Amino acid sequence: QVQLQESGPGLVKPSETLSLTCTVSGDSISTGTHYWTWIRQPPGKGLEWLGNVYYSGTTNYNPSLMSRVSMSVDLSKNQFSLKVTSVNAADTAVYFCARVLPLYCGGDCYQYYLDHWGRGTLVTVSS
Amino acid sequence: DIQMTQSPSAVSASIGDSVTITCRASQGITIWLAWYQQRPGKAPKLLISAASTLQSGVPSRFSGSGSGTEFTLTINSLQPEDFATYYCQQANIFPLTFGQGTRLDIK
Repeated sequence: QVQLQESGPGLVKPSETLSLTCTVSGDSISTGTHYWTWIRQPPGKGLEWLGNVYYSGTTNYNPSLMSRVSMSVDLSKNQFSLKVTSVNAADTAVYFCARVLPLYCGGDCYQYYLDHWGRGTLVTVSS
Repeated sequence: DIQMTQSPSAVSASIGDSVTITCRASQGITIWLAWYQQRPGKAPKLLISAASTLQSGVPSRFSGSGSGTEFTLTINSLQPEDFATYYCQQANIFPLTFGQGTRLDIK
């Protein structure tokens, strides 16, 4: 079955760069049938979509973070990654990676559903 | 961005009860809406796509409806494992956006 696993430092200092990797098993990023996404959840709060990456490297980012976020794929390792620069305390959150199922709905319309998620990893921003 | 607003923010119910959660979108999204369940300390789980399509393995006591800007998630005959937080998500326009969540507690 499809499994996703986040990895990376659990503690990042303010103004530094947060870097996380998601390793995918049970599916191949290179098939191009799905997008791959990062979601975060501050402690006790709701879900925030950070952006998508496609096997080709094409990305879509949340405008609220666009200047600080980047995503990439490593097809040889079946992994995708997240970087958030210049972090501060507001970036403290559980970070989830997930698979996105795109469904065609006619014309130029697509729907995007997050059908498999990693367990999440807590990243704390603190000195 | 499309804003998603859920109501209520929290609801208490007993085993065997039925509950309905509402999600409103700030603009029309046809039926391109998902519902997720999140248990404490776990990742969200996709329950419903396209407003009313139950995912494989999701019990039939869950149902979704709606179109345009107003959507509902109904859970009939509540079971102990249903007490969790539920999120709606608009699925059509980037950035993808979620409601703030509805916490379902045992009364």
